[in-house]
Amino acid sequence: DGGITQSPKYLFRKEGQNVTLSCEQNLNHDAMYWYRQDPGQGLRLIYYSQIVNDFQKGDIAEGYSVSREKKESFPLTVTSAQKNPTAFYLCASSITSVNSPLHFGNGTRLTVT
Amino acid sequence: RKEVEQDPGPFNVPEGATVAFNCTYSNSASQSFFWYRQDCRKEPKLLMSVYSSGNEDGRFTAQLNRASQYISLLIRDSKLSDSATYLCVVNKGSARQLTFGSGTQLTVLP
Repeated sequence: DGGITQSPKYLFRKEGQNVTLSCEQNLNHDAMYWYRQDPGQGLRLIYYSQIVNDFQKGDIAEGYSVSREKKESFPLTVTSAQKNPTAFYLCASSITSVNSPLHFGNGTRLTVT
Repeated sequence: RKEVEQDPGPFNVPEGATVAFNCTYSNSASQSFFWYRQDCRKEPKLLMSVYSSGNEDGRFTAQLNRASQYISLLIRDSKLSDSATYLCVVNKGSARQLTFGSGTQLTVLP
């Protein structure tokens, strides 16, 4: 079955450590996205990529980095520079059309202490 | 004013009831609209796209009012399984311009 896989589901890290969240899709979608969700808030865009080897900053990119070396994969690194990293991280993909909905992975819940 | 606003609820309704949610958006250039459903601690899942002429999918009806800049979701004959948070999503025309509302929480009571 086609879909988006995020791993791990839960991640715990100490403050000051970088951590990388995995996102893989087999939907053959060109566009991939990373969002962050905090309690009681809407999803906020961190980074997005519309084609391999190219990506753009979203609204809250500071403290994060991404790569898009393969169409299927869009990993997100949460660096020690991110001031409030504890959150629910969601990866999504879509075909590149303004009317196309997003398809989400099942999310990674990151806790930094 | 937020770009996309939703009444956070919670809406507590009895099984079988009809419930409606509204979502207002501020940018008249918005081009596409969606309703997503999100269960507690899970990812959002597409419920339905919203078309200019309105559209229906079983017990769910979505409508768009461009003049007043809002979209609505109507759920008829509510089921316990409809309990979730409903997210309104508005796209102004590019990958970066997709804005999520904070969601409306619905609880259907037995």
